[in-house]
Amino acid sequence: QITLKESGPTLVKPTQTLTLTCTFSGFSLSTSGVGVGWIRQPPGKALEWLALIYWNDDKRYSPSLKSRLTITKDTSKNQVVLTMTNMDPVDTATYYCAHRQGANLFDYWGQGTLVTVSS
Amino acid sequence: IQLTQSPSSLSASVGDRVTITCRASQGISSYLAWYQQKPGKAPKLLIYAASTLQSGVPSRFSGSGSGTDFTLTISSLQPEDFATYYCQQLNSYPPTFGGGTKVEIK
Repeated sequence: QITLKESGPTLVKPTQTLTLTCTFSGFSLSTSGVGVGWIRQPPGKALEWLALIYWNDDKRYSPSLKSRLTITKDTSKNQVVLTMTNMDPVDTATYYCAHRQGANLFDYWGQGTLVTVSS
Repeated sequence: IQLTQSPSSLSASVGDRVTITCRASQGISSYLAWYQQKPGKAPKLLIYAASTLQSGVPSRFSGSGSGTDFTLTISSLQPEDFATYYCQQLNSYPPTFGGGTKVEIK
């Protein structure tokens, strides 16, 4: 059974760096074809894909946020970490991590974590 | 690739047939998925490859289309189907989502 869970701060100040951790079980990020992605959703708005890391450590980022994002994995801990620098109130959103099943299909999602950016 | 969903919201009754459309700004073959999201919950994968039902999803859900025009159909709306639905293109980076269609009770 695949499960994912996001963790991190619920409140960050503008200009700070956000660090979110996705802890998963039921699959290995060392298995060929596997990936974990991050998607966010501002309150009342649509989903926005942020980043994805593959089993072979290949990484992809949203072009509009690429300069602010870093995604890494710790295979031994079954964790994926997303950092986003220079946070702004417009980055207030629920952040989800999700299991990628081929062709960027997200078949299992974490419960999400709401991050508020405010001074 | 931009995805435009229509309508953005609709009101329907239990038992109604509901159709949601998703139009891509360029051809994406059949690389399209549909998700259902209920308030306060993560999205749930319903359909991938435009028309393949994810395991465990009721057969009243169906998808069709290829290229730029896609549809999600709920053949007989059930109380648990009131939610927001999103399409997502898988054809190229970055993966993008449509703006969502909220299905409300009439």
